[in-house]
Amino acid sequence: EDQVTQSPEALRLQEGESSSLNCSYTVSGLRGLFWYRQDPGKGPEFLFTLYSAGEEKEKERLKATLTKKESFLHITAPKPEDSATYLCAVQGHGGATNKLIFGTGTLLAVQP
Amino acid sequence: DAGVIQSPRHEVTEMGQEVTLRCKPISGHNSLFWYRQTMMRGLELLIYFNNNVPIDDSGMPEDRFSAKMPNASFSTLKIQPSEPRDSAVYFCASSLDRVDTDTQYFGPGTRLTVL
Repeated sequence: EDQVTQSPEALRLQEGESSSLNCSYTVSGLRGLFWYRQDPGKGPEFLFTLYSAGEEKEKERLKATLTKKESFLHITAPKPEDSATYLCAVQGHGGATNKLIFGTGTLLAVQP
Repeated sequence: DAGVIQSPRHEVTEMGQEVTLRCKPISGHNSLFWYRQTMMRGLELLIYFNNNVPIDDSGMPEDRFSAKMPNASFSTLKIQPSEPRDSAVYFCASSLDRVDTDTQYFGPGTRLTVL
């Protein structure tokens, strides 16, 4: 069964204090790994898609990396506006190929 | 682009009543997804459509839930009768299902409270 585990559940950082969020996954053939950001009261907002081990993508202070078993979302010099819940999801080749399996997210709080 | 549109944004109803949630996907997208989000279980896929046809409804919790997509620009999720345990935020998402991209874009959600 496809599964996604995110850690930590919650993370509190000081502004400028870099850190990483982890997403461990098991899937029957990875088609894609997705990172989303979700603000309170809003729908998830797409950040990145990674398709193969070794791939990296960057957007402003965020950088996502992928291995065969996990993905990291690195946050460099975060600002208070980076506070949100970050969700990881995987899409496998088995079954309904468009299906995303989500982790429960990491709640990030960046204090000024 | 207006993005995925959902209505209503909030719904409060009493146990036993019928609830209908509505979704308009992004124009040109050919896949549509209904998700439910709760604190306990996170974000769960209920059903998804491709070219207006239901492909996977294995996440629909029970017969009280039904979904339709009569055309490419409209879908409904209906709960009849509703129960307090159905209280959650329901999201609709859409994607353009191509070989090189199938990113799902989410709507703002409908917060459902069943009393």
